[in-house]
Amino acid sequence: EPEVTQTPSHQVTQMGQEVILRCVPISNHLYFYWYRQILGQKVEFLVSFYNNEISEKSEIFDDQFSVERPDGSNFTLKIRSTKLEDSAMYFCATVLAGSSYNEQFFGPGTRLTVL
Amino acid sequence: KNEVEQSPQNLTAQEGEFITINCSYSVGISALHWLQQHPGGGIVSLFMLSSGKKKHGRLIATINIQEKHSSLHITASHPRDSAVYICAVVQGGSEKLVFGKGTKLTVNP
Repeated sequence: EPEVTQTPSHQVTQMGQEVILRCVPISNHLYFYWYRQILGQKVEFLVSFYNNEISEKSEIFDDQFSVERPDGSNFTLKIRSTKLEDSAMYFCATVLAGSSYNEQFFGPGTRLTVL
Repeated sequence: KNEVEQSPQNLTAQEGEFITINCSYSVGISALHWLQQHPGGGIVSLFMLSSGKKKHGRLIATINIQEKHSSLHITASHPRDSAVYICAVVQGGSEKLVFGKGTKLTVNP
């Protein structure tokens, strides 16, 4: 069964460093999302992406964050200058073409630890 | 106030028991999702509802749009059902999911 994959599974970085989290969506899926979950807290929406542009973003998704689909397959989340509070689990999710209200397929997550 | 409230926060059951997890929301929605988060952190979509009721195996999800309430039921619960169950809504006019805090279910053998 097709699945969403994310790399790396765990990333440890120093405060102020740039990190890139990668997601490989299910083939033919056209809607992409990034979410984060700080340890012990609820999952939070970061950004949605469709047709090579951001369709919606949350207040969390400030200028330190960016998303792109560099090669038509990978979907990346970049944090330019990490802060301690960026430590969280980051989930990518994708949706089949047609509607963003359809079932979302989640990747296994990347655990980001900022020291 | 949280836009999505779940109850209970924690639930412990004996194997075989019927489980109900509730979700109430305060905003207009286009759809509601029930998700399962495993102890390792992975998230699996269980249901997406916009009206009525859906059933998949031992899982049943219902939604009452007028009352802004949804329930997830598990029949004949099993220890492998132990996980965090999360309710998330798609706000009307938006694409983003707004998540509840989750209900941690533990099913003892």
